[in-house]
Amino acid sequence: SYVLTQPPSVSMAPGQTARITCAGNNIGLKSVHWYQQKPGQAPVLVVYDDSDRPSGIPERFSGSNSGNTATLTISRVAAGDEAVYYCHVWDSDNDQVVFGGGTKLTVL
Amino acid sequence: QVELVESGGGVVQPGKSLRLSCEASGFRFSGVGMHWVRQGPGKGLEWVAGTSNDGTKKYYADSVKGRFTISRDNSRNTLHLQMNSLTIDDMGVYYCAKDRSYNAQRRLENWGQGAPVTVSP
Repeated sequence: SYVLTQPPSVSMAPGQTARITCAGNNIGLKSVHWYQQKPGQAPVLVVYDDSDRPSGIPERFSGSNSGNTATLTISRVAAGDEAVYYCHVWDSDNDQVVFGGGTKLTVL
Repeated sequence: QVELVESGGGVVQPGKSLRLSCEASGFRFSGVGMHWVRQGPGKGLEWVAGTSNDGTKKYYADSVKGRFTISRDNSRNTLHLQMNSLTIDDMGVYYCAKDRSYNAQRRLENWGQGAPVTVSP
């Protein structure tokens, strides 16, 4: 089955730019979606189809996808961005949803 | 606005069964695919099952295939998950999620607040 690999954690100082990666075989050929989950809350979609943002999500959140790596970029990180971020693709070979293991973003 | 409310969670013994439900409102339920996603204690998201808008296509994670069944009642705007032969590995919070497309192969736009499932002797 298809596997998505994310770093377990990323730490940034406020105001810096955080980049969270999601690695998968030829992931550039798939549509990648990203979710933010804060403690005790349900996940929230923050980027879809590689680089689009749902309404209400700040422009500070952006995404890219090429080759074997998709990236979620959060510019000017703030304390309110602290959360676990998950990437997601549809595995058409096995007809299954696949999530990455999640990356915990800590704002120092 | 979109609302997804899960119910049916609780404590169950290993080997027993449980049925979760998700009542949907605020959108045309019969037009979109739906999913169940779970999260074990302290763990990441794990997709469990999905269904197309009309229920004709159903998809399952390998870990639950043959034990869980996803179904929907479009006349009642309700999604179900029948869980049989439960094990400790099935413990966690179960989320209902709405897909963007009819075939349940796109992004998960909206999520419920989750229903906790505990498997304990």
